[in-house]
Amino acid sequence: QQQVKQSPQSLIVQKGGIPIINCAYENTAFDYFPWYQQFPGKGPALLIAIRPDVSEKKEGRFTISFNKSAKQFSLHIMDSQPGDSATYFCASSSGGSNYKLTFGKGTLLTVNP
Amino acid sequence: GAGVSQSPSNKVTEKGKDVELRCDPISGHTALYWYRQRLGQGLEFLIYFQGNSAPDKSGLPSDRFSAERTGESVSTLTIQRTQQEDSAVYLCASSWESLRAYEQYFGPGTRLTVT
Repeated sequence: QQQVKQSPQSLIVQKGGIPIINCAYENTAFDYFPWYQQFPGKGPALLIAIRPDVSEKKEGRFTISFNKSAKQFSLHIMDSQPGDSATYFCASSSGGSNYKLTFGKGTLLTVNP
Repeated sequence: GAGVSQSPSNKVTEKGKDVELRCDPISGHTALYWYRQRLGQGLEFLIYFQGNSAPDKSGLPSDRFSAERTGESVSTLTIQRTQQEDSAVYLCASSWESLRAYEQYFGPGTRLTVT
C-alpha cells in the first residue's frame, strides 16, 4: 500500500522556470511533511519541511504549499538553476511514529541551462 | 564535522552468500535508521535503533535480514542467503533522537548487487 503518491516521475524545465512537484497522502495521522533532495551517488538531504498548522513555508527559493483538506502538498522551486537538477522525494510521518518516514517514489528534475 | 559514513560503497555478491553492511552515524546521534532504495523507487524503511535497542523492526523484509548496533554507534545490517531481489542501495541515517526523526542525516549508501 503506497501511502504517499508523488508526481510527476520526471520533470524538465528551463533555467529560471518554476518546477512544481506534487504529493498526496492517505494517512490522516501524518503530521510532518519533509522534502528531500538527492544527487546521484549521494544520500538524500533534508531540504524543507512543513507541519499541517501552516499552509505555506518558504526557505530561499524553495516553497512548500500544504492543503490539509485535500491531503496534498507540493514543492515549488523558484528561479530554478541547473544545480537544482536532482531527484526530489516527499515524505510523511506521524507523531506517534515520528521516526518512520514514508517516502514518495521520487521526481527526477532536470533544469536545462 | 563528519557525516554519516557507510561501507562498502559498492558490494557485488553471488546469490546465496551473506553480506554485512556497515553504518557509522554522526557522533552523538542516538537514533539510527536503515532504508532500502530500489531502482526508481522511494526509500523503504527497514529498521530503527534508539541507542542499542531496535523498537521497530517491522520493515525488515524477511528473517534473512537482521541488524545490530553496538556502543550506541556503529550499526551493521546483515543479509543472509542473498537473493537477486535484494539488489538495491541500502541507506543509513541518524538523528539526535527519534523524536526528531525528521532531522535525519543520510549516508551515501551501499549499492548491493546480487548476481
